[in-house]
Amino acid sequence: AQTVTQSQPEMSVQEAETVTLSCTYDTSENNYYLFWYKQPPSRQMILVIRQEAYKQQNATENRFSVNFQKAAKSFSLKISDSQLGDTAMYFCAFTNTGNQFYFGTGTSLTVIP
Amino acid sequence: DTEVTQTPKHLVMGMTNKKSLKCEQHMGHRAMYWYKQKAKKPPELMFVYSYEKLSINESVPSRFSPECPNSSLLNLHLHALQPEDSALYLCASSRLPTSGTGETQYFGPGTRLLVL
Repeated sequence: AQTVTQSQPEMSVQEAETVTLSCTYDTSENNYYLFWYKQPPSRQMILVIRQEAYKQQNATENRFSVNFQKAAKSFSLKISDSQLGDTAMYFCAFTNTGNQFYFGTGTSLTVIP
Repeated sequence: DTEVTQTPKHLVMGMTNKKSLKCEQHMGHRAMYWYKQKAKKPPELMFVYSYEKLSINESVPSRFSPECPNSSLLNLHLHALQPEDSALYLCASSRLPTSGTGETQYFGPGTRLLVL
């Protein structure tokens, strides 16, 4: 069975600073995909970044980057130059070669002005 | 265009009412999903449709009845709901995984349901 763990229920960061959200997962599969989704208080879940397990290079999307450590089964999200609009729930998610997602419990991030 | 739309945005219903939630996407996706989400919790999968056929039903009570009339539309029919069914109901869509791919799911804004 696949499990996804986010050990930080809540975090805060000063505007313009950098913050890292943690995610670990457990799987026996070798081919899988990892995602970070953002859900602002307006509630729509938005894809932030995606990582294919077979790629060694860490994914980046503008101010968002991941640190993917396959052997350690770790997939952390780094947000640089934090902005007020980054305030949201962040969910880490895993999928294998099927179409079922496994979500972590989420991290509530608050960016402080 | 990565838009998934859902109607209505908000819904209040009594325990004896029958109502329907609607979801639409025009991305050509052949997999569509219903999730239930409580506040500050991750989405919980309810149903998955692949090629307009129900492929996953996560032991959801029969008072929730999904329907996929065509490849762009997904409905969730509600009947005799309980107050504990109050939640945000999210629809999502994706391409169908092929040859070992894992496809991104795109979510709609959700319907906030309150059962009185």
